[in-house]
Amino acid sequence: DIVMTQSPDSLAVSLGERATINCRSSQSVLYISNNNNYLAWYQQKPGQPPKLLVYWASTRESGVPDRFSGSGSGTDFTLTISSLQAEDVAVYYCQQYYTTPHSFGQGTKLEIK
Amino acid sequence: QITLEESGPTLVKPTQTLTLTCTFSGFSLSTTGVGVGWIRQPPGKALEWLALIYWNDDKRYSPSLKSRLTITKDTSKNQVVLTMTNMDPVDTATYYCAHKADGYNDWGQGTLVTVSS
Repeated sequence: DIVMTQSPDSLAVSLGERATINCRSSQSVLYISNNNNYLAWYQQKPGQPPKLLVYWASTRESGVPDRFSGSGSGTDFTLTISSLQAEDVAVYYCQQYYTTPHSFGQGTKLEIK
Repeated sequence: QITLEESGPTLVKPTQTLTLTCTFSGFSLSTTGVGVGWIRQPPGKALEWLALIYWNDDKRYSPSLKSRLTITKDTSKNQVVLTMTNMDPVDTATYYCAHKADGYNDWGQGTLVTVSS
């Protein structure tokens, strides 16, 4: 199984500042034949299901604000929120869908400083 | 517009079998590349991937739960069913179904299942 490890576990950032969440996979999730990284990021607010933000490591889902961006390749990935808004308070998860089981990271709780 | 809705019992007893149904609309499970997966989340904890069924009836399971899980689809009814045998209190969680296209694009609201005698 591929193990997904996020850092940090929690993060407090001031409004308008940048937030960065990291995700590392225990093996590469880059499929060489199509050059796609099978890595997604989700946002989960209390009492709600997860919401897909980014897939293929860097493709923003339709309707997701452009302050959210994903980067990285192979085993190391980053979700960046360029200018934190109050509505971004949530838990963020990365997930690999390169091979089953499609494992998730442990989550990163993002709060306002 | 894609929607998914989970249904099933909210309370099961230890050792019983849980049967959950995901009823969806807005996409077809006959379309190449499409899948429907199940993910659960114990209260206050992280997401755990359980199972996935693809358009071609390819079925995948979490290795740690494989002996207890069965996933099936009824394409004509737009439903996917997950059964989990021998339920235990540690299986108490919110169970989600999700539409898999690029990542897991769309999720149901989830259903909380409590395992208690």
